[in-house]
Amino acid sequence: SQQGEEDPQALSIQEGENATMNCSYKTSINNLQWYRQNSGRGLVHLILIRSNEREKHSGRLRVTLDTSKKSSSLLITASRAADTASYFCATPRKGNTPLVFGKGTRLSVIA
Amino acid sequence: DTAVSQTPKYLVTQMGNDKSIKCEQNLGHDTMYWYKQDSKKFLKIMFSYNNKELIINETVPNRFSPKSPDKAHLNLHINSLELGDSAVYFCASRRSIDYTNTDTQYFGPGTRLTVL
Repeated sequence: SQQGEEDPQALSIQEGENATMNCSYKTSINNLQWYRQNSGRGLVHLILIRSNEREKHSGRLRVTLDTSKKSSSLLITASRAADTASYFCATPRKGNTPLVFGKGTRLSVIA
Repeated sequence: DTAVSQTPKYLVTQMGNDKSIKCEQNLGHDTMYWYKQDSKKFLKIMFSYNNKELIINETVPNRFSPKSPDKAHLNLHINSLELGDSAVYFCASRRSIDYTNTDTQYFGPGTRLTVL
């Protein structure tokens, strides 16, 4: 069953704008991860945030985690056309079970 | 120097046929996975292997039979293909099966299977 649910399902912005994607999950987690998938390609790991962290940065990416609300957000600042992709959040359900992915947010950045 | 590779990239076949997809990782990882991504982009775990041993089978029909000849390879054989099997299949690997650590999961480029 799904663990993460991304919101919105699709997002279209102009180059240079910021893009914010949200993820909600159901059970307690050890960590939450964000992945990017370019069209016709495999998923690429972007960033991982541990359950005891509230915010993490990596380049133009900023991830927040609110365990009380069971939600996370991914912010991409100063977006570029190359950021056009689907973005997925993923969490391990419990123990050593594999990552469970949401349905993703399709981001389109228009030049 | 591809980390996780899959072959073939595209596979078009008739209903009822049997086909295989191969996956190899050169990262020295212990754990490998097969995921299925449907037309709505929903990515669902199918199998999880650790050191060549099956750990998780997510209620996948027994027409799907994974085989891990060694730690670096996890192949997927599908018997009696059905229309609903059409999807993109992704192989992935991870250093260990322990999700309390922060190891990254690496994905292959995917195999797009079309059943006619």
